[in-house]
Amino acid sequence: AQSVTQLGSHVSVSEGALVLLRCNYSSSVPPYLFWYVQYPNQGLQLLLKYTTGATLVKGINGFEAEFKKSETSFHLTKPSAHMSDAAEYFCAVSDQGTSYGKLTFGQGTILTVHP
Amino acid sequence: EAGVAQSPRYKIIEKRQSVAFWCNPISGHATLYWYQQILGQGPKLLIQFQNNGVVDDSQLPKDRFSAERLKGVDSTLKIQPAKLEDSAVYLCASSLVRGSYYEQYFGPGTRLTVT
Repeated sequence: AQSVTQLGSHVSVSEGALVLLRCNYSSSVPPYLFWYVQYPNQGLQLLLKYTTGATLVKGINGFEAEFKKSETSFHLTKPSAHMSDAAEYFCAVSDQGTSYGKLTFGQGTILTVHP
Repeated sequence: EAGVAQSPRYKIIEKRQSVAFWCNPISGHATLYWYQQILGQGPKLLIQFQNNGVVDDSQLPKDRFSAERLKGVDSTLKIQPAKLEDSAVYLCASSLVRGSYYEQYFGPGTRLTVT
């Protein structure tokens, strides 16, 4: 069974400050890891993903995340927050097996950006 | 390319009534997913189709929920009878296989309120 824990249901930063959203996962098989963003009244949009290869992955809108197997973590970062980054962010995991891409999500982190 | 379409976007019903949601996936996507997102939580997979066959419905409350995917394209999710705890956003997603993983694309969701 897989699970995802996002530390902090709410994160607040000032515009221009570093954004750090934490995600830890549990998986009995090598995982695929994803970050999604959800704006109000919209569906989920893929920010970035880790499948294989380089452990530091870059996504859209200046976000990046690093897969750390030893820490079972996949934290999301952005060097400088923008007002438009305010949204809810979800970390998700799927396995490399025969689950046809089934995603297990964390509970989400709401990011607030102050001027 | 058109995205995943869902209708209706909003629905309000009384408990014990029935309701149906419709999803049209991206053309050519063989895998289709229905997720339930309760306020304050991450999406939870209800059912997953590969073409028109069910590959995972382990978390679908089968006494009241049903889903079908006719001809491997459109899908409907039905709740009968609805309970207060069914109030949630119902997300449909479809996926494209990219090498060894499935990249999911989400629709805007249907927000269900049960009174």
